[in-house]
Amino acid sequence: QQQVKQSPQSLIVQKGGISIINCAYENTAFDYFPWYQQFPGKGPALLIAIRPDVSEKKEGRFTISFNKSAKQFSLHIMDSQPGDSATYFCAASNTGKLIFGQGTTLQVKP
Amino acid sequence: EAGVAQSPRYKIIEKRQSVAFWCNPISGHATLYWYQQILGQGPKLLIQFQNNGVVDDSQLPKDRFSAERLKGVDSTLKIQPAKLEDSAVYLCASSLAWDTDTQYFGPGTRLTVL
Repeated sequence: QQQVKQSPQSLIVQKGGISIINCAYENTAFDYFPWYQQFPGKGPALLIAIRPDVSEKKEGRFTISFNKSAKQFSLHIMDSQPGDSATYFCAASNTGKLIFGQGTTLQVKP
Repeated sequence: EAGVAQSPRYKIIEKRQSVAFWCNPISGHATLYWYQQILGQGPKLLIQFQNNGVVDDSQLPKDRFSAERLKGVDSTLKIQPAKLEDSAVYLCASSLAWDTDTQYFGPGTRLTVL
């Protein structure tokens, strides 16, 4: 019940395309859903986050879509750039304890 | 503003040896976390401190792992004795308070156990 399932494991997108990563959770007590971006040799960095009282949040080229009834949320990266190539983790938390998904390695080809 | 600092960045040890990692959180952050990130997986919380008290250590293998946060600032994570399966990146993160959601991560310490 504490798991967060993330897919796909890896993703290859052409420059300018849309990257979509999906996550699903079980625990309805989760109240905060962030996405983290991690480059090789670096720690994860917060990219964008959403709470369950809204269905969508957009920050620049990054959008989170949230479906509370389905217990699913997704990250959309519009106009994907080679600099977006990294590993992306979804997470869910309740009272500050983050549960991470397995990660998606994104490669954006020029 | 300085970020979360960790040292060393890399460590290679033999199994059954001991090792310690150090973390200095962002100034003013009351909550400190240690995560273990095995290659190809997401980070897994090991222990959470609020100031110098433990909030959650349910995932910490207490027979070999220990952590402390003296004076509510810096923290050390120790493994004694190390096993092969402890090979991972150990990440430290901090946040303003235990119920503040945004966590800031350090660069991690990559541990290899031979």
